[in-house]
Amino acid sequence: DIQMTQSPSSLSASVGDTVTITCRASQRIALYLNWYHQTPGRAPKLLIYAASILQSGVPSRFSGSGSGTDFTLTITSLQPEDYGTYYCQQSYTTLATFGGGTRVDIK
Amino acid sequence: QVQLVQSGAEVMKPGASVKVSCKTSGYTFTEYYIHWLRQAPGQGLELMGRIDPTTGGTNYALKFHGRVTMTRDTSVGTAYMDLDRLKSDDTALYYCAREGLPLGGSSSYWFDSWGQGTLVTVSS
Repeated sequence: DIQMTQSPSSLSASVGDTVTITCRASQRIALYLNWYHQTPGRAPKLLIYAASILQSGVPSRFSGSGSGTDFTLTITSLQPEDYGTYYCQQSYTTLATFGGGTRVDIK
Repeated sequence: QVQLVQSGAEVMKPGASVKVSCKTSGYTFTEYYIHWLRQAPGQGLELMGRIDPTTGGTNYALKFHGRVTMTRDTSVGTAYMDLDRLKSDDTALYYCAREGLPLGGSSSYWFDSWGQGTLVTVSS
């Protein structure tokens, strides 16, 4: 299995801050990397697919970059509704694996 | 719009089996893979497997081999996930999710639509 490692595991930031979350794959996965946002009691919501493509309807303050083994999700100008947990997911293999999640709290 | 609606919460005894359904609407059911995932309380996301709604072909994660069965009924646009020999650590929220591209559209995939989740509690 391809292991996905996210960092940090949690962070606290203020409204308006820029937040960066990283995801590292245990082997090269080209651009087969997606990002999701989950709030308590809700299903995950797709933010970014294929490493950098913004899903329709997702605010432009979210962006993704990277390729190979190292990827980044950036939230510019953090908003109150951005609290929750962010997950990366590789789709290089038939059955996906996810990172452990990064919990984002709003100060 | 695309919707995936799952069956209600279940409380099961250890050793029992559970069947969760995922009724789809708003798109052609046979054109997109359906995956099943779960999330234990306070934990991350774990993929259990997927089903090709056209052929019924399945791929299961090694961890669940022999205990999970995924099926579908194309006449009602519904996918099903059976998990046997339940244990207490199977207590989790179970999700179905649709791949974002039609079958054969790309080797890459992502999950663009999700069910609301079904809580399965295993307790004696």
